[in-house]
Amino acid sequence: GDSVTQMEGPVTLSEEAFLTINCTYTATGYPSLFWYVQYPGEGLQLLLKATKADDKGSNKGFEATYRKETTSFHLEKGSVQVSDSAVYFCALSGKTGANNLFFGTGTRLTVIP
Amino acid sequence: DTEVTQTPKHLVMGMTNKKSLKCEQHMGHRAMYWYKQKAKKPPELMFVYSYEKLSINESVPSRFSPECPNSSLLNLHLHALQPEDSALYLCASSQEWTAQSGANVLTFGAGSRLTVL
Repeated sequence: GDSVTQMEGPVTLSEEAFLTINCTYTATGYPSLFWYVQYPGEGLQLLLKATKADDKGSNKGFEATYRKETTSFHLEKGSVQVSDSAVYFCALSGKTGANNLFFGTGTRLTVIP
Repeated sequence: DTEVTQTPKHLVMGMTNKKSLKCEQHMGHRAMYWYKQKAKKPPELMFVYSYEKLSINESVPSRFSPECPNSSLLNLHLHALQPEDSALYLCASSQEWTAQSGANVLTFGAGSRLTVL
């Protein structure tokens, strides 16, 4: 079945450091891929998405590229800020008729000044 | 209006109580979802409503009873819950449930944090 594997956390970085959070997926067909962010005490917010191979999603300085050959959708940011501290979830939506989201386990990021 | 509004934000209830969680959206979305999120875990799908009809029930115990009175509202009725049901309950909506046309993005509410004593 469809699934997402996300790098274990927690991740602690200094402000302005480079961020990579790895995400790989298993799915039949060609799923859509997402990164959601959850700030402390809040619900999930869509950060970025990509719907087909080689698409690059980007938002707020974050980027992720849909790599079909490596079944990956790694999240990157060139210079993190304290305000980026949150839990990041990789997710996929299969194109088999249902719009269910399958989430990875989440990666907690803490950025220290 | 691009929000999903959930009430209450926090709820504490005993195992014999009956309470309800409410969710509202005015984006014209026709699919609405309930997710359960335990601490430090990803959200897990509970129910999906499509055009006000229950389309998915992920084997959720009957002490959780969803209701979709109209296209903008989604309720989750709670009765005889257990302490292990304590969690963050997230409501979400999307334009449609079927994803054949591409990525229908889910918009999530801020959640209702439930504590069962």
